[in-house]
Amino acid sequence: AQRVTQPEKLLSVFKGAPVELKCNYSYSGSPELFWYVQYSRQRLQLLLRHISRESIKGFTADLNKGETSFHLKKPFAQEEDSAMYYCALRDSSYKLIFGSGTRLLVRP
Amino acid sequence: NAGVTQTPKFQVLKTGQSMTLQCAQDMNHNSMYWYRQDPGMGLRLIYYSASEGTTDKGEVPNGYNVSRLNKREFSLRLESAAPSQTSVYFCASSARPRQGGQPQHFGDGTRLSIL
Repeated sequence: AQRVTQPEKLLSVFKGAPVELKCNYSYSGSPELFWYVQYSRQRLQLLLRHISRESIKGFTADLNKGETSFHLKKPFAQEEDSAMYYCALRDSSYKLIFGSGTRLLVRP
Repeated sequence: NAGVTQTPKFQVLKTGQSMTLQCAQDMNHNSMYWYRQDPGMGLRLIYYSASEGTTDKGEVPNGYNVSRLNKREFSLRLESAAPSQTSVYFCASSARPRQGGQPQHFGDGTRLSIL
């Protein structure tokens, strides 16, 4: 079955600390993965996608097919990174399957 | 550009009432989607429309109907609202699905409470 798992509901770190938001997926084909972010009182928006191999706002995510993971990382967290983060998988019908989300809280 | 616009932003219904949530996009996107967001469950797809004139069920379609009125508009209807449909509803759109990596663009959401 196709599934995206984000094991942490809440991740709390101090400003300047490294951050890793975990995402594991289950998919039989070649996966296409995304991270979406929802800041307080803002709409859900794309953060990054694995095919672009880009760094956005200091965040990176590497697709590890062996471990079926797509963890989101940032070396030094900032307070403005506090938000809800969703990992998503695009299936063969081009629909998105979302994980349950991780709330990141960056404390001063 | 407004992107994806949803109306209304908030609504309270009584059990058994009907309601239509409206969604419009101004990005000339082919595909549109309706999700519901519940605590601890992420976003779950209710219905989607890959292109104008087509609609398909998603993960949780029961109790809902949709209409792709034209390329811009995709509405979600609750014929007989139930308390289990209390949720935040998001509409999204994306470019032609076969172009890999096309992101979905989301509206602000509709917070719906059913008493």
